[in-house]
Amino acid sequence: NAGVTQTPKFQVLKTGQSMTLQCAQDMNHNSMYWYRQDPGMGLRLIYYSASEGTTDKGEVPNGYNVSRLNKREFSLRLESAAPSQTSVYFCASSVGLAGGWGEQFFGPGTRLTVL
Amino acid sequence: DQQVKQNSPSLSVQEGRISILNCDYTNSMFDYFLWYKKYPAEGPTFLISISSIKDKNEDGRFTVFLNKSAKHLSLHIVPSQPGDSAVYFCAASGGGGTSYGKLTFGQGTILTVHP
Repeated sequence: NAGVTQTPKFQVLKTGQSMTLQCAQDMNHNSMYWYRQDPGMGLRLIYYSASEGTTDKGEVPNGYNVSRLNKREFSLRLESAAPSQTSVYFCASSVGLAGGWGEQFFGPGTRLTVL
Repeated sequence: DQQVKQNSPSLSVQEGRISILNCDYTNSMFDYFLWYKKYPAEGPTFLISISSIKDKNEDGRFTVFLNKSAKHLSLHIVPSQPGDSAVYFCAASGGGGTSYGKLTFGQGTILTVHP
């Protein structure tokens, strides 16, 4: 079991460029999440998908879009990258949303720099 | 509005001694609390959790205490080992309303265990 995998590991973009961050999990989890981590800020939720076919905004959704392609895959798209989106992005998954079902398993992260 | 706060950015302890990491929260509707550990260049990994119906949960060297009246939780590591050196995040879920299913993270505490 690979757990949660993310591609790419590193990416450098110029302002205005677009890109998609890919995430896949092989644990048959229902729920998937995208976070960003910035220094001194902890992890902040961008978007999440409670189950296949649904997506909802998190704390910091502006400038991002997501697609829950199937139960395994959840992608994050930056349509027009800005320097403020320079961050480390983590994908996570969980069996469900609440309580013990909501224990999240994280991927290794994508370090994105926008120049 | 930081609903989960870790007021100590860093903590340094000697190997074999106790490490105590603290976390405060403001939302009384949180009903599940988790601790994650993060090594550099890796994603966070789940460590231990506690439901709001309990005041203590133990797993090997790790114990989490919850004081609901004070809206405070702490993670005790006994004995501390150099391999415990990492960033520790506390997180809370069940904040009610639109917060259902979302984890709210603290800013993290860097633990350094000296041999």
